[in-house]
Amino acid sequence: AQSVTQLDSHVSVSEGTPVLLRCNYSSSYSPSLFWYVQHPNKGLQLLLKYTSAATLVKGINGFEAEFKKSETSFHLTKPSAHMSDAAEYFCVVSGNSGNTPLVFGKGTRLSVIA
Amino acid sequence: ETGVTQSPTHLIKTRGQQVTLRCSSQSGHNTVSWYQQALGQGPQFIFQYYREEENGRGNFPPRFSGLQFPNYSSELNVNALELDDSALYLCASSRDIAGGPNTGELFFGEGSRLTVL
Repeated sequence: AQSVTQLDSHVSVSEGTPVLLRCNYSSSYSPSLFWYVQHPNKGLQLLLKYTSAATLVKGINGFEAEFKKSETSFHLTKPSAHMSDAAEYFCVVSGNSGNTPLVFGKGTRLSVIA
Repeated sequence: ETGVTQSPTHLIKTRGQQVTLRCSSQSGHNTVSWYQQALGQGPQFIFQYYREEENGRGNFPPRFSGLQFPNYSSELNVNALELDDSALYLCASSRDIAGGPNTGELFFGEGSRLTVL
């Protein structure tokens, strides 16, 4: 079965410093991997998606993630945090067709300090 | 093109009651998925509908049921509400069935927040 583990429940950074949100995945096949962001009282928005093309994936708002098969990781990074980046971030793996389309991690709350 | 819209945004029910949540999918999307997000948790898959048929179901009891209409909009019905059903219910639409290695993007609505007292 597919699963993801987000290694930090809460990350706090200062504005202008780098962001690193860590995610490890488990999958019986080469999966699709996603990062979604959820701002307070808002729905989920796709940041970026990996589907076996380039291992370094660039997303919206300056975020990127690198797929590392040997480490089963898909960490999310951004060179310089902005106050508007404060939100909940979810690492997501595609499940088996039908029964579990998307499997979400428990989320990492990112705080950005001025 | 319009995005995914859900209604109502907030509602309060008491134990034992029934609730219906509604979702309009994004234009051109034929698949709708429903997720339950409890406070402080990631979304959990409830079920997926493709062309009016249920196509996959998560670990939820039968009192969670759904429908998809010819225009691809959808309803989630929950009978005999329990306190643990209090959560944010998210609807997501996609161009095709989600799941497997080639899963595309899902577009989420802002959710319906259900409180059961």
